[in-house]
Amino acid sequence: QVQLVQSGADVKKPGSSVKVSCKPSGGTFGAYGITWARQAPGQGLEWMGGIIPLFGAQHYAPNFQGRVTISADASTGTAYMDLTSLRSEDTAVYYCAWHDPGRWYFDCWGQGTLVTVSS
Amino acid sequence: EIVMTQSPATLSVSPGERATLSCRASQSITNYLAWYQQKPGQAPRLLIYDASTRATGIPARFSGSGSGTEFTLTISSLQSEDFAVYYCQQYSDCPPVTFGQGTRLDIK
Repeated sequence: QVQLVQSGADVKKPGSSVKVSCKPSGGTFGAYGITWARQAPGQGLEWMGGIIPLFGAQHYAPNFQGRVTISADASTGTAYMDLTSLRSEDTAVYYCAWHDPGRWYFDCWGQGTLVTVSS
Repeated sequence: EIVMTQSPATLSVSPGERATLSCRASQSITNYLAWYQQKPGQAPRLLIYDASTRATGIPARFSGSGSGTEFTLTISSLQSEDFAVYYCQQYSDCPPVTFGQGTRLDIK
């Protein structure tokens, strides 16, 4: 059973950037897709983008295009989500999730990483 | 981008009763629909994919139906652990994938 372990909570200043990591344990890194979604306090789920490491293909939601970069390091078996130009509205729990490359539903999720943007 | 609309926003049901949650897509997604359950402080949990296939380990009281633009998640006999927020998600025209805004299932 694949488990996804994310980096810990972080506090950032407005205008700065945050990088959240996601490391699968078990499974073959690169053979699956990794997606990122976030959830602001009391709100629903918002898809941000994803990557299929095997193909090097990255996809981004229109709302985040230009501000988010999703990457994967095969040597360490770790995926990353980098969000720039942070503002208070980016305060949220950020999740990574794992999926079959051809099927974009998510049957394995990380524990979530709280990112707080505050001056 | 396909917009997913869930109804109602909140549903109050007594334990042991049936709950019916709805999800509508802004255009046809055939059967490319998933349902998730989320409890406070936890990550979402996949319940249903391909509109009607239960994910591994999901109890039979959870069932999904529908195709095209109209979908339903039914919980046949509510248990205490079923009170949570439920999200639908389309993966027909993706990326991007899109989620519904959620239905909160409360104890009546």
